Amino acid sequence: KNEVEQSPQNLTAQEGEFITINCSYSVGISALHWLQQHPGGGIVSLFMLSSGKKKHGRLIATINIQEKHSSLHITASHPRDSAVYICAVGIRGGGADGLTFGKGTHLIIQP
Amino acid sequence: DAGVTQSPTHLIKTRGQQVTLRCSPKSGHDTVSWYQQALGQGPQFIFQYYEEEERQRGNFPDRFSGHQFPNYSSELNVNALLLGDSALYLCASSRTIGGYTFGSGTRLTVV
Repeated sequence: KNEVEQSPQNLTAQEGEFITINCSYSVGISALHWLQQHPGGGIVSLFMLSSGKKKHGRLIATINIQEKHSSLHITASHPRDSAVYICAVGIRGGGADGLTFGKGTHLIIQP
Repeated sequence: DAGVTQSPTHLIKTRGQQVTLRCSPKSGHDTVSWYQQALGQGPQFIFQYYEEEERQRGNFPDRFSGHQFPNYSSELNVNALLLGDSALYLCASSRTIGGYTFGSGTRLTVV
């Protein structure tokens, strides 16, 4: 079983829809990251969370430490949001903070 | 302010050869992590460098080695290349513990 599980793996939605991507993890973490990767490979860090909720523009990320679960929400989705969204965690107690990644959610927003 | 810079962007090597990939971290960052991302998969942690030493290592063979220089830049070396080493290699920098900034990656193809 992977330490970081994401769902769904693939998601196609219409422009304007509210999008939710989920991430569950099975280990104690120091922080959880939501990342965006566009075709070609470059990764952009969206959020780093250790508790609660963060908002940036149309993106909202929440984390529930007790339930070991995080969600990424996109409001008023737009075709330019189409990308792979990756959840990654820093494992607590490891000293260093190399990330463990989920497999990603491939999001397509159709006009 | 430049983010993380990786070079080269693309590289083709022959099986059995050796390759060196380079990473310049974001200004102010002192920690560099390297990840391997196979096609369709999430990135896998290779190792992390801090204060010119390997601080943590993922499940990769000794053919993968690295170095960090006094200016915090880093190199990833892979010896005796295998076809399975073909992947996107991502570098991420951070300040000891904190948010990550990712480079755009080096696409390595082994033929």
